[in-house]
Amino acid sequence: GAGVSQTPSNKVTEKGKYVELRCDPISGHTALYWYRQSLGQGPEFLIYFQGTGAADDSGLPNDRFFAVRPEGSVSTLKIQRTERGDSAVYLCASSLSGEASYEQYFGPGTRLTVT
Amino acid sequence: GNSVTQMEGPVTLSEEAFLTINCTYTATGYPSLFWYVQYPGEGLQLLLKATKADDKGSNKGFEATYRKETTSFHLEKGSVQVSDSAVYFCALSDLTYAGNMLTFGGGTRLMVKP
Repeated sequence: GAGVSQTPSNKVTEKGKYVELRCDPISGHTALYWYRQSLGQGPEFLIYFQGTGAADDSGLPNDRFFAVRPEGSVSTLKIQRTERGDSAVYLCASSLSGEASYEQYFGPGTRLTVT
Repeated sequence: GNSVTQMEGPVTLSEEAFLTINCTYTATGYPSLFWYVQYPGEGLQLLLKATKADDKGSNKGFEATYRKETTSFHLEKGSVQVSDSAVYFCALSDLTYAGNMLTFGGGTRLMVKP
């Protein structure tokens, strides 16, 4: 079956612009996660959705970052007033449930470059 | 807070050599431990996991044992192949918190030469 997909695969934007990154999870997966991976580092947690609600957004670095999942499937990560430090690969993962016994399946990521 | 520390790479080995990648962790609760692998041009994939102390996770010839006394989860393989060349990430999820968010180490790049 289809895995987690993310669009676009690459995004180049100018400092100060607004960007949206999209994640299509595996069908039927209720849990969805966003992570950010800076060059040469491991992924860092941003936000976790269970269904439509953000159950934990403690990883969002500041209020320029926001994410939604209005119908409990597709999610969009939104970044306002982008800064060069936002450049990274943004990863999305989904799992059947938020419980620890369920594996997270990762998408290929969106590489964001802020110039 | 939670953290994962793993040995820095790159690790360069000849084919059929023995592999060890060290991983230690700090957690406030009772974590599950994971190794993820990222092959060139591909997304992160779960390699193996262990959910409680003394559990051994294994897959594709790789093994790791959950050692609570040393807070470690070292990855081992007896005989590496060129196809094992990838970046390996150690990670934990802390069951104290709702959800299953992962805390990752910095990754270790493995290069296997024929």
